[in-house]
Amino acid sequence: GNSVTQMEGPVTLSEEAFLTINCTYTATGYPSLFWYVQYPGEGLQLLLKATKADDKGSNKGFEATYRKETTSFHLEKGSVQVSDSAVYFCALTVNTNAGKSTFGDGTTLTVKP
Amino acid sequence: NAGVTQTPKFQVLKTGQSMTLQCAQDMNHNSMYWYRQDPGMGLRLIYYSASEGTTDKGEVPNGYNVSRLNKREFSLRLESAAPSQTSVYFCASSFEPGVLYNEQFFGPGTRLTVL
Repeated sequence: GNSVTQMEGPVTLSEEAFLTINCTYTATGYPSLFWYVQYPGEGLQLLLKATKADDKGSNKGFEATYRKETTSFHLEKGSVQVSDSAVYFCALTVNTNAGKSTFGDGTTLTVKP
Repeated sequence: NAGVTQTPKFQVLKTGQSMTLQCAQDMNHNSMYWYRQDPGMGLRLIYYSASEGTTDKGEVPNGYNVSRLNKREFSLRLESAAPSQTSVYFCASSFEPGVLYNEQFFGPGTRLTVL
């Protein structure tokens, strides 16, 4: 089956620190990979995505590179802000799976001023 | 566009009561999903509908039923609520299966408490 394993949280950083949230996956077939973000009291929203090996997804200063050889899709940001405090979910979708996504358990990030 | 809307936003039920959570999307998506989110357990898929007229069980379907009323609407029903169903429920939608970049679009959630 498909699975996504995320770095356990919570993660607490000071403003302007470097962020890495690890994500590894197993999948039957060739997945598309996603990072979603959930702000307090809201639903998930797409942060970035990648569909093939070596693709880099980027948005709002966040980046993640699809690494097929290590089955990873780690999320990075060079300088976090207080407004980045949220829960981050790594996910994959395999096209043969009725469009269903498999989500990681989420990593809570708190950024302190 | 409103995206994915859910009603109600909050609900308190007593054990044994029934209720229906409503979800609608205005993006002409084919696929729709219901998840529950519990602390420390991420998102778990309850039911999904790959296209209008079809529904399938997800990871945790027991105690729930769904109806894909039309292409826009996908409702989730709790026939006899139990405290274990206290959770935050999210509806999501996506383009048809098999489309690359097939991300999901989420509603704001329904916070349900069963006493």
